[in-house]
Amino acid sequence: SQKIEQNSEALNIQEGKTATLTCNYTNYSPAYLQWYRQDPGRGPVFLLLIRENEKEKRKERLKVTFDTTLKQSLFHITASQPADSATYLCALDLFSGGYNKLIFGAGTRLAVHP
Amino acid sequence: DVKVTQSSRYLVKRTGEKVFLECVQDMDHENMFWYRQDPGLGLRLIYFSYDVKMKEKGDIPEGYSVSREKKERFSLILESASTNQTSMYLCASSPSGAGEWELPDTQYFGPGTRLTVL
Repeated sequence: SQKIEQNSEALNIQEGKTATLTCNYTNYSPAYLQWYRQDPGRGPVFLLLIRENEKEKRKERLKVTFDTTLKQSLFHITASQPADSATYLCALDLFSGGYNKLIFGAGTRLAVHP
Repeated sequence: DVKVTQSSRYLVKRTGEKVFLECVQDMDHENMFWYRQDPGLGLRLIYFSYDVKMKEKGDIPEGYSVSREKKERFSLILESASTNQTSMYLCASSPSGAGEWELPDTQYFGPGTRLTVL
């Protein structure tokens, strides 16, 4: 069955450093991948989408890579700030039963320390 | 700004009660979704709808039903609440049209309802 793995351990980094989060998947060939941010007690908020034919996507301090051979996406936040502290979810599309749905990973919590 | 609202932020119910969770979106989105989120398990899809009066089962539909009588409103119903339905419930909507050849767009989430069943 399809599986999405994100590091369940929290990632602790110092302010100003680059945070790198990993999303691995198996038994899957997604057409695209999305990253969401979720703050405690709130719903996820969309950040970036990258398609299978794109190697890299950038938005301000965010960068996402998508390696369909390794079945992996990396999510980078450069010059990280304490305000970047949150849980980050990756999501992949699954075509099943005639419809496209999103399958979410469990998320990785990022803590940026001053 | 897309807005997805959910009827309650926190809800406490007793085992066996019928529970209604309401979700409303104001951006004329065709697609609406109900998820539950539990620690370590991520978001799991309960039901979704690509059109008014249309519903499809997600990955964990047992114990739940839904209703979509109007485009902007998608309701989740727990017919007889049980303690294992204690969870965070998230509603989402997306703007893309129905059809298997269209890639769904990004999803916009509501703030969530933390349901506790005693």
